[in-house]
Amino acid sequence: AQSVSQHNHHVILSEAASLELGCNYSYGGTVNLFWYVQYPGQHLQLLLKYFSGDPLVKGIKGFEAEFIKSKFSFNLRKPSVQWSDTAEYFCAACSSNTGKLIFGQGTTLQVKP
Amino acid sequence: GAGVSQSPSNKVTEKGKDVELRCDPISGHTALYWYRQSLGQGLEFLIYFQGNSAPDKSGLPSDRFSAERTGGSVSTLTIQRTQQEDSAVYLCASSLVDRFNQPQHFGDGTRLSIL
Repeated sequence: AQSVSQHNHHVILSEAASLELGCNYSYGGTVNLFWYVQYPGQHLQLLLKYFSGDPLVKGIKGFEAEFIKSKFSFNLRKPSVQWSDTAEYFCAACSSNTGKLIFGQGTTLQVKP
Repeated sequence: GAGVSQSPSNKVTEKGKDVELRCDPISGHTALYWYRQSLGQGLEFLIYFQGNSAPDKSGLPSDRFSAERTGGSVSTLTIQRTQQEDSAVYLCASSLVDRFNQPQHFGDGTRLSIL
């Protein structure tokens, strides 16, 4: 079955620490990958997306993600987090077979000032 | 701004009542999605509309859930005979024609509480 797994459910970091959130997907065929962020009290926003080409994707606010096909992974990274990065982060994948966007369970990131 | 608009923002109702949730997508977006966000459950796909094609209803959890999209624009998600487990935030999203290549834009959601 098609699925998206986020292994870190709750991450607590201090400001300036580096961040890596894991995301693995289970899909056949071509897949498009996304990271969304939901700040407290706000709606979901797109952080970055991968469709094809360079597997290292840069998004807004200094975030990046690397698509590693052999590992079925699309981990989100940021070299130095800020308190304002406190939010919930969702990995998502869309398969050309189904057209459905499937989300992971989300990771809550808490950055301590 | 011309973002995805959902109403109401909050809805509290008694178990067994019917509820209707509304979504106004971004003008020109032919694809419209409904998701449900429950505590600890992440985002759950419910239903997808694309142009004049038959909707993809594969995510609807039971026959108490239904949705329609009139005139290719506004969509209504209806939950009949609500149960407490229906309590969640219901999110609507829309995107441009090609759903495989265009990111979805989300509304603020409707927080539904079933007493």
